[in-house]
Amino acid sequence: AQKITQTQPGMFVQEKEAVTLDCTYDTSDPSYGLFWYKQPSSGEMIFLIYQGSYDQQNATEGRYSLNFQKARKSANLVISASQLGDSAMYFCAMREGDGGFKTIFGAGTRLFVKA
Amino acid sequence: EPEVTQTPSHQVTQMGQEVILRCVPISNHLYFYWYRQILGQKVEFLVSFYNNEISEKSEIFDDQFSVERPDGSNFTLKIRSTKLEDSAMYFCASRWTSGGLNTGELFFGEGSRLTVL
Repeated sequence: AQKITQTQPGMFVQEKEAVTLDCTYDTSDPSYGLFWYKQPSSGEMIFLIYQGSYDQQNATEGRYSLNFQKARKSANLVISASQLGDSAMYFCAMREGDGGFKTIFGAGTRLFVKA
Repeated sequence: EPEVTQTPSHQVTQMGQEVILRCVPISNHLYFYWYRQILGQKVEFLVSFYNNEISEKSEIFDDQFSVERPDGSNFTLKIRSTKLEDSAMYFCASRWTSGGLNTGELFFGEGSRLTVL
């Protein structure tokens, strides 16, 4: 069964510094996709970044990068140059296979950016 | 930019009443979902819908829940006899497909907050 674990319930980071949010996963399917979503206090879910299990390079999207370590089954999100607007809940998620119907989410990490 | 829309944004109901939450997914998407989030906690998968039928459902999605896509645009979640513990934010999501350049990420609506009294 697939599983996503986020062990950091809350994180603090100083504005303009980088922060890493941890995510580990477990699946027996060799084909899977990993996602990070941001949920600000307003409640909407915003897609940030995607990593496919066969992708050779770590994904990057602007200030977001995904540190993908396949052997360790980890997919940590790195946010560089943190901004106050980055304060939000961050969810790691996984879908098994291209045809997989279900995306499951971790428990989330609440990030607080300090001025 | 196309978006997923949900109505109502907030519904208050009495325990035991039936509730229907409505969603209009993005028009060319093929997969449709309902998720539930209790008090800003974990986002829980309820059900996925593909090719006009349920493709997968969670243990939460018991007989009191049902989904429909009655007219090719709306996607509804019905809760037949609401319980106090059904109070949550319900998110509808859709995605096109995956593979190639398409990551198959979920596009979420803004959610429907259900309060059961």
